[in-house]
Amino acid sequence: EIVLTQSPGTLSLSPGERATLSCRASQSVSSTYLAWYQQKPGQAPRLLIYGASSRATGIPDRFSGSGSGTDFTLTISRLEPEDFAVYYCQQYGSSQTFGQGTKVEIK
Amino acid sequence: EVQLLESGGGLVQPGGSLRLSCAASGFTFSSYAMSWVRQAPGKGLEWVSGISGSGGSTYYADSMKGRFTISRDNSKNALYLQMNSLRAEDTAVYYCAKAVWVRGVIGYFDYWGQGTLVTVSS
Repeated sequence: EIVLTQSPGTLSLSPGERATLSCRASQSVSSTYLAWYQQKPGQAPRLLIYGASSRATGIPDRFSGSGSGTDFTLTISRLEPEDFAVYYCQQYGSSQTFGQGTKVEIK
Repeated sequence: EVQLLESGGGLVQPGGSLRLSCAASGFTFSSYAMSWVRQAPGKGLEWVSGISGSGGSTYYADSMKGRFTISRDNSKNALYLQMNSLRAEDTAVYYCAKAVWVRGVIGYFDYWGQGTLVTVSS
């Protein structure tokens, strides 16, 4: 099973700052098979990024994804108030696994 | 507009069974793979099971194999999860999700329902 490890566990930032979230895989994942989701309290997850770098429909361009092999990154260029949430990465190249999540909180 | 509405959750005793349903609308249901993903209270996401658009192929997380059965009725635009031999650790919100097929595998999930809570406790 491919294990995804996200870091940091919690990111404390102010609105307008840049957020950089990491997702590291225990073995190589094709970039085709890596996605990112956002989840707010009491809500279902929302797809942000698929194929490591493709934005889902309706996702603002302040969200971007990058990476390959075992290291992937989600970047939020300038945090808006609505971006404070938990973010999960997912690999779907070898069965399905999710990372444990990174919480982006207001500093 | 894509809508996914789960139902069937509730309180069940350890060892018991429960059948979850997901009513889908707003897209051609039979053309898309579907999955169940769960989230224990205060925890992260865990993929449970997936099924192809035709229903001919099914997939399970190892910890759920033999206890859970996924199925669908394309005539009713409905997805199901039959859960048997339930354990306390199966307590979670269960989400129904529309999947995108990627190069022959169930890929990412572009739409999610609001979830249904399953509590396994005596």
